[in-house]
Amino acid sequence: AQSVTQPDIHITVSEGASLELRCNYSYGATPYLFWYVQSPGQGLQLLLKYFSGDTLVQGIKGFEAEFKRSQSSFNLRKPSVHWSDAAEYFCAALSNFGNEKLTFGTGTRLTIIP
Amino acid sequence: DVKVTQSSRYLVKRTGEKVFLECVQDMDHENMFWYRQDPGLGLRLIYFSYDVKMKEKGDIPEGYSVSREKKERFSLILESASTNQTSMYLCASSIGTGHGEETQYFGPGTRLLVL
Repeated sequence: AQSVTQPDIHITVSEGASLELRCNYSYGATPYLFWYVQSPGQGLQLLLKYFSGDTLVQGIKGFEAEFKRSQSSFNLRKPSVHWSDAAEYFCAALSNFGNEKLTFGTGTRLTIIP
Repeated sequence: DVKVTQSSRYLVKRTGEKVFLECVQDMDHENMFWYRQDPGLGLRLIYFSYDVKMKEKGDIPEGYSVSREKKERFSLILESASTNQTSMYLCASSIGTGHGEETQYFGPGTRLLVL
């Protein structure tokens, strides 16, 4: 079955430190891949997406993600986090065979400490 | 910018009530989706629609129905609300298959409490 795994439920980092959030997928063929962010009480905002091409994808708010086919991973990174980055982050995948069902990971909650 | 709006941010209903959650998108998108979000479970797809009057079951359709009479509007209906339907409900839309752009855009969510 198709699935998306975010192994870290909760991560705490210091403001100004670097960040990496992990995401692994299990699909028959490489899916489309997305990262969304959800601030408390809000809907989901798209950070970035990967469809094909360059495996390093730049997104909004200074985030980037790297697609690694050999590891079935699409990890999200930011070189220096800000207090406003505290939120929940969701990785998601969509089959590229016309099935419109987006599969989400269970999310990683990010806490920023001063 | 794509705009997806949901009729209520917070809703409190009693067990057995019929509940309507409304979602409207302003980008002429073909596809619309309803998810529920629960702690530790992420987002789970309830129903989706790829055209007016068309609907497809998602992963957890039990206890829900949907209606799409107009392209821009997708309604989620809880025929008889139960306490286990207390959750955050998120609506999303996407342009549709074959356009080379499969990104789903989300509304702000409706937090439903069933007493």
